[in-house]
Order: sequence, then structure tokens, then C-alpha cells
Amino acid sequence: GESVGLHLPTLSVQEGDNSIINCAYSNSASDYFIWYKQESGKGPQFIIDIRSNMDKRQGQRVTVLLNKTVKHLSLQIAATQPGDSAVYFCAEGGYSTLTFGKGTMLLVSP
Amino acid sequence: DAGVIQSPRHEVTEMGQEVTLRCKPISGHNSLFWYRQTMMRGLELLIYFNNNVPIDDSGMPEDRFSAKMPNASFSTLKIQPSEPRDSAVYFCASSSGGSTNEKLFFGSGTQLSVL
Repeated sequence: GESVGLHLPTLSVQEGDNSIINCAYSNSASDYFIWYKQESGKGPQFIIDIRSNMDKRQGQRVTVLLNKTVKHLSLQIAATQPGDSAVYFCAEGGYSTLTFGKGTMLLVSP
Repeated sequence: DAGVIQSPRHEVTEMGQEVTLRCKPISGHNSLFWYRQTMMRGLELLIYFNNNVPIDDSGMPEDRFSAKMPNASFSTLKIQPSEPRDSAVYFCASSSGGSTNEKLFFGSGTQLSVL
């Protein structure tokens, strides 16, 4: 079956840097994509989503980019802060219920 | 809104015992999901309900697992008998739409340890 995966299990950045978290998806039928942030001991928290008729969407300090040609999704966090340290999950949906990737841990050093 | 409420937060039990996890979705949401999270397998969908009706239970591991949603504000996930391999964090989530293109709101989870 097709699945969503992440390239990097851990990303370490300095406070103030921009962070980029990548995600590859393999199901061309997916038309909805979403990023979640999960802090230790908590449930996943919605960050931003994007539908397949768009290739970019911006939120507060976050941007999601969708490249349907190569089936790639990325989350950009501007001016990363220590509070951004968490595990980030991408998920795809549209053809079925959301399927989550394994997650990338973001570590932000002061 | 208090968000999705799950109980208990932590559950430690012995193999063979029955375990019941509880969830109260966000008021007004008509879809409810149960997920299991482990390091090895990540977040896995177990079952989801729409308007209190189970729509897809293909993720339920085996007959030891069962889920109910007797009304719009309450759902349970039961494991009987429990086994050590059931140890995981179980999340409940809800959404306001009936489609699969909706963002989910997650509870804080139940950390289950089966000894």
C-alpha cells in the first residue's frame, strides 16, 4: 500500500534559524495534506493544511509547500523558537482517512 | 471549548485484564476517531465514527478490540483481554465534517501499559 514518509527523523537548528521539515507522499490520489505538531505528553496539534489545488499556503511563521509533480510536502518555520521543539507529522488524505507519517523531531537550541 | 477529553491519562494493567478508554469529542463535531501511537508504527487509525455510526474499523487489530459510540458526546475503546503488545498511547480525535478532508482535533491521549 502507499504511505506517507519523512526523510529526516531529527532536525537540529539554532534559535532564530529557519527550519524546513520534509515529507514524501506516494499516493497521487491524495488531495489534502496537513501538518501536526506534537509536544511531549500531548496529542498532535494542528499547524496548517493545504489542498491539492494549491502549491503554497502561509500561516503565522509557518509555510507549507506542495509539489505534486514529485509528491513532496514541506513545512517551513521562520525564526524558529525553543517552543517549536516537538515532533512534526505530515498526513495525507482525501481518498481515505488521514494517513500519518512517522514524524520528524525538531530540536531548537537557544 | 475544552477540546477533546480523554480518560484516564494513564492506565497500568496486567495482561488479561479488561481495559476501557473513554473519549468526549468536541461538542458539535460529528466524526470521532481512535488512533494508536507507538514508536515503531507511528499513528495508526483504529476506527472512526460518523454521526455515531462506525464507518471504518479495518484498523482494529483483532477481536480483542471493540469500540462504541452510544451518543454524540461519548465513545469508548475496550480491550479484552489486554496483552503487553497493546501498550501504546491511544488518542481520540474529532472533526466537524463527514468527509476525509477535515482537520482532526486530538485529545491528550491515554498512555496504556500492559504488564
